[in-house]
Amino acid sequence: DTEVTQTPKHLVMGMTNKKSLKCEQHMGHRAMYWYKQKAKKPPELMFVYSYEKLSINESVPSRFSPECPNSSLLNLHLHALQPEDSALYLCASSPPLKRGDTDTQYFGPGTRLTVL
Amino acid sequence: GENVEQHPSTLSVQEGDSAVIKCTYSDSASNYFPWYKQELGKGSQLIIDIRSNVGEKKDQRIAVTLNKTAKHFSLHITETQPEDSAVYFCAAEKPRSTLGRLYFGRGTQLTVWP
Repeated sequence: DTEVTQTPKHLVMGMTNKKSLKCEQHMGHRAMYWYKQKAKKPPELMFVYSYEKLSINESVPSRFSPECPNSSLLNLHLHALQPEDSALYLCASSPPLKRGDTDTQYFGPGTRLTVL
Repeated sequence: GENVEQHPSTLSVQEGDSAVIKCTYSDSASNYFPWYKQELGKGSQLIIDIRSNVGEKKDQRIAVTLNKTAKHFSLHITETQPEDSAVYFCAAEKPRSTLGRLYFGRGTQLTVWP
């Protein structure tokens, strides 16, 4: 099973709303990622969690707040977003990290977010 | 960092023909090169990957070749079918000194005409 699931598939929200994106994997992966993808562009890394701890924050605005409550779940809390934040938000996971090694990242289908 | 260049940005082929997408990378420390397929409105699906200890890998109609000396790798799709139409992204990753970080190319829109 190499499945990463994401909910919801689509989300429309106003600039004053608070919403959350959810990502789940049951592959025993210990690294989980959030990416943002605009149309016709490659995915851009936002956050990386390793063993439920935030390891990388790519200078993402604080209106995006990640959370990793356990090794299988990754959330992205959204608050006071701007229309330019509209994009496809992708979650990915990869096997336990080892120094000096590389591992495959498996992507979820994404959440299509529209901010009005 | 790492800089991944991908060409062409668009590619149109007739069904049954072959398609080739090429990527170059800048950092010789990169040693893992996955290819992702993204259909319209969907997330990225890993279709094939290669590590720097091999020069070629094949999976049915899809193959990837790697030239470490020249720092380029290519995706080859033979006997293309309309369902191969999608955006394809190449990526490069360095060994994890800290955490895995994929550096993506800008994508190739492949259209296969029936």
